[in-house]
Amino acid sequence: QVQLQESGPGLVKPSETLSLTCSVSGYSISSGYCWGWIRQPPGKGLEWIGSIYHSGSTYYNPSLKSRFAISVDTSKNQFSLKLNSVTAADTAVYYCARIPHTGSGVQATLHYVDYWGQGALVTVSP
Amino acid sequence: QSALTQPASVSGSPGQSITISCTGTSSDVGSYDLVSWYQQHPGKAPKLMIYEGSKRPSGVSNRFSGSKSGYTASLTISGLQAEDEADYYCCSYAGSSALLFGGGTKLTVL
Repeated sequence: QVQLQESGPGLVKPSETLSLTCSVSGYSISSGYCWGWIRQPPGKGLEWIGSIYHSGSTYYNPSLKSRFAISVDTSKNQFSLKLNSVTAADTAVYYCARIPHTGSGVQATLHYVDYWGQGALVTVSP
Repeated sequence: QSALTQPASVSGSPGQSITISCTGTSSDVGSYDLVSWYQQHPGKAPKLMIYEGSKRPSGVSNRFSGSKSGYTASLTISGLQAEDEADYYCCSYAGSSALLFGGGTKLTVL
């Protein structure tokens, strides 16, 4: 059974860097799939942040400013999200996810999210 | 990229059928048969209900079905049950290795 679990601080100060890690069990990241991050501000809808292939190729939401960075550590079967210069608008539940895809490298076609983490609430506040 | 357009809310009585629409553009819904639908109960992670337009994952009731016409995808729930009350989100591949979600629809079972 594939399981994803987010971890990281629940409170971040404005202008600082948000760091989250997703630990994957039941499946080896290096075996395939894209792995991504999705966030949901309180009371609002879902927003895809970006994804990473096990080789390290990354894909980001073009509508978001380039404050995000996603990385993968196949030795720990984890992938991570960093968001710098956070503001109150970045307060949200952050989900990590597994994404079936076709293609790889420069461009992958992302199909859907089949597994989600339980979500981690990150609050940006002084 | 603007979010896919969904109605803010829909409602129906137990046993009835409802349909939730999801309208996009030629850059997303209209170009790919890669629309997925998610159910989200309060305080829970979303759950995949339909993928690649009309396919159901194992374990999802056949009361849920998906379709697409032009730039609009639809999720139909037949035989509405109380436990179907939740938020529903559509999602489409939007080219350039990107996913795009809809704004979400709150389903109320009367």
